[in-house]
Amino acid sequence: QKEVEQDPGPLSVPEGAIVSLNCTYSNSAFQYFMWYRQYSRKGPELLMYTYSSGNKEDGRFTAQVDKSSKYISLFIRDSQPSDSATYLCAMSAYLPGGGADGLTFGKGTHLIIQP
Amino acid sequence: DVKVTQSSRYLVKRTGEKVFLECVQDMDHENMFWYRQDPGLGLRLIYFSYDVKMKEKGDIPEGYSVSREKKERFSLILESASTNQTSMYLCASSPDRGRNGYTFGSGTRLTVV
Repeated sequence: QKEVEQDPGPLSVPEGAIVSLNCTYSNSAFQYFMWYRQYSRKGPELLMYTYSSGNKEDGRFTAQVDKSSKYISLFIRDSQPSDSATYLCAMSAYLPGGGADGLTFGKGTHLIIQP
Repeated sequence: DVKVTQSSRYLVKRTGEKVFLECVQDMDHENMFWYRQDPGLGLRLIYFSYDVKMKEKGDIPEGYSVSREKKERFSLILESASTNQTSMYLCASSPDRGRNGYTFGSGTRLTVV
């Protein structure tokens, strides 16, 4: 079983729709959770990160973590064509002393917002 | 903002050539990483470094080596390029091994012919 599972898509939705992107994981030691956005032929850029269960909101984006179910989500409200990209989830385990043990990435979901 | 700069956006090399991919970061991060990204396979870690002159193998180190002589610079070396090393190569850096994420460069698209 892979450590992080993410549906590759493509996921195609009309402009203005609410988008839900998801990842599941198997390692209960993961404590830090992130979402990256990657435009075509560019490097990934950090979109959101959180280290606790619950929701974190930033503009049109909401990151949700459910540690009991080992499930994380990214919601995009009022989706725009400029949101078309590949979205990668990433997570890291906690190390004694407050550090982290490197990032484990999902393979990414390709999102298409249709004008 | 942290900036990670990869020296080339696109490279075309011949089979058997020795290839150097350079990465420089400007925020004094201790940790640097090299990944390759291929369709359907996601990001795969080649090598990483937690300090100057230190290097650790990632998941797919075969055919690659690295050099970190200065804190800000992490070089990936393809000793003898092969067509199966055609890929997007991404460099990243981090102050804390991922607690607050990595910062990636823009990537180098390498084609080996």
